[in-house]
Amino acid sequence: SQQGEEDPQALSIQEGENATMNCSYKTSINNLQWYRQNSGRGLVHLILIRSNEREKHSGRLRVTLDTSKKSSSLLITASRAADTASYFCATYANFGNEKLTFGTGTRLTIIP
Amino acid sequence: EAGVTQSPTHLIKTRGQQATLRCSPISGHTSVYWYQQALGLGLQFLLWYDEGEERNRGNFPPRFSGRQFPNYSSELNVNALELEDSALYLCASSLYTGWNEQFFGPGTRLTVL
Repeated sequence: SQQGEEDPQALSIQEGENATMNCSYKTSINNLQWYRQNSGRGLVHLILIRSNEREKHSGRLRVTLDTSKKSSSLLITASRAADTASYFCATYANFGNEKLTFGTGTRLTIIP
Repeated sequence: EAGVTQSPTHLIKTRGQQATLRCSPISGHTSVYWYQQALGLGLQFLLWYDEGEERNRGNFPPRFSGRQFPNYSSELNVNALELEDSALYLCASSLYTGWNEQFFGPGTRLTVL
């Protein structure tokens, strides 16, 4: 079963607008990561946020984490056509069954 | 620096056959991870190898197996292929245990007819 569930499943916005996608998870975690996947290819790591952090920035990316609600959001500001991709959250918890657990992904389309 | 490489890019098999997928990690990376991504779905964790040993496996039947070689490259074997094994198989590597970041290869698209 998936630890993370992204919302929405698909999102289309105009170039230049901001895109927000959300991830919910079920159990306590050590960190949460966001990855991007272009056209069914390999994933690229975007950003990591630890369980004791609430917000992180990297370029046009902003990630928040609310451990009380077991949720995270990824904001991409000033979107570009090249941001068109699927975005996945992945959680890590070191409670024995060590692995990254990926969510179902949000398909983001940027309309030029 | 070369990234993670996987071969073959595409693989077509018939039901009941065996498939072998290969992965070469980034130089210096000792951990290799395998994931299955069925069409339109997220990634399902398959296997984790570190220093030649299987460290963890996901909820997959025993016909999914693999190994890691002394040079840290890895092989995923799927026996007795079923139609639902059709998927993109992704390999990732990391320096030590990759719970902070994993580096992914382009994947092998397996089609079972």
